[in-house]
Amino acid sequence: DAKTTQPNSMESNEEEPVHLPCNHSTISGTDYIHWYRQLPSQGPEYVIHGLTSNVNNRMASLAIAEDRKSSTLILHRATLRDAAVYYCILRDVRGSTLGRLYFGRGTQLTVWP
Amino acid sequence: EAQVTQNPRYLITVTGKKLTVTCSQNMNHEYMSWYRQDPGLGLRQIYYSMNVEVTDKGDVPEGYKVSRKEKRNFPLILESPSPNQTSLYFCASSLLVSKTVELFFGEGSMLTVL
Repeated sequence: DAKTTQPNSMESNEEEPVHLPCNHSTISGTDYIHWYRQLPSQGPEYVIHGLTSNVNNRMASLAIAEDRKSSTLILHRATLRDAAVYYCILRDVRGSTLGRLYFGRGTQLTVWP
Repeated sequence: EAQVTQNPRYLITVTGKKLTVTCSQNMNHEYMSWYRQDPGLGLRQIYYSMNVEVTDKGDVPEGYKVSRKEKRNFPLILESPSPNQTSLYFCASSLLVSKTVELFFGEGSMLTVL
C-alpha cells in the first residue's frame, strides 16, 4: 500500500501562513492525494484533494510537486481554530488496495496567539 | 442533516463480554469503514465494506468482526474484548470507493475494556 510520511508536529503563529509537508515517494500515477484534519475530540474531516495540479478551496491550498512525490497543504492565515492533526493520505481504487486507506500519525499543528 | 452516527459514544466493559458498536449513515453511501485511534499510532483501518455483503480486512482486523446486511449500517463486533482493544473508534463512509470523493466520519466511540 502506498503510504505517506509527515512531520510529527509543527507550530505557527496566528495569522501567519502554514505549510504542512507530506512525502509520498511511492505514489502511483492513479493515486489521488487527500488531506484531512482532526480537531480535538472530533472525527477527521475532509480538507482538500488533488491529482497533479495545485488546488484551492475555501479551507486551504494544495501544492503538488511536479514529480508527485511530495505535496504541501497551505493554510494561508492560520487561526486558533486550525489547531488540529493533519493527515495526508493517498486514495487509489486498483486491485489489492481497493478500499484500503492509510492515515498514519499525521502532523499535530499548534497555533499560537 | 447528512451524518454518520456511532453508538455508544462511551463504553466501559470487561474482558470477554461481547459488545457491538453501531454505525449508521443517512447519505446512501456504498463505502463504509472502521478505524481505531491510539496515542502515538494514529488512525488504523480495521475493516471496510465496499457495499452490502462485501467486507474486507484493513490493517488491524484481529479481534473484530463486521457485517453489512444493509447499506446504511456497518456494526463493529468485538466477540471477546480484551484490554488491548481499549481505544477510540471511528466509523467513516463515502459515496462509492472513489479516488475523488471525501470520507465522512462519525464522532467516535471511546471503548475501555477492563
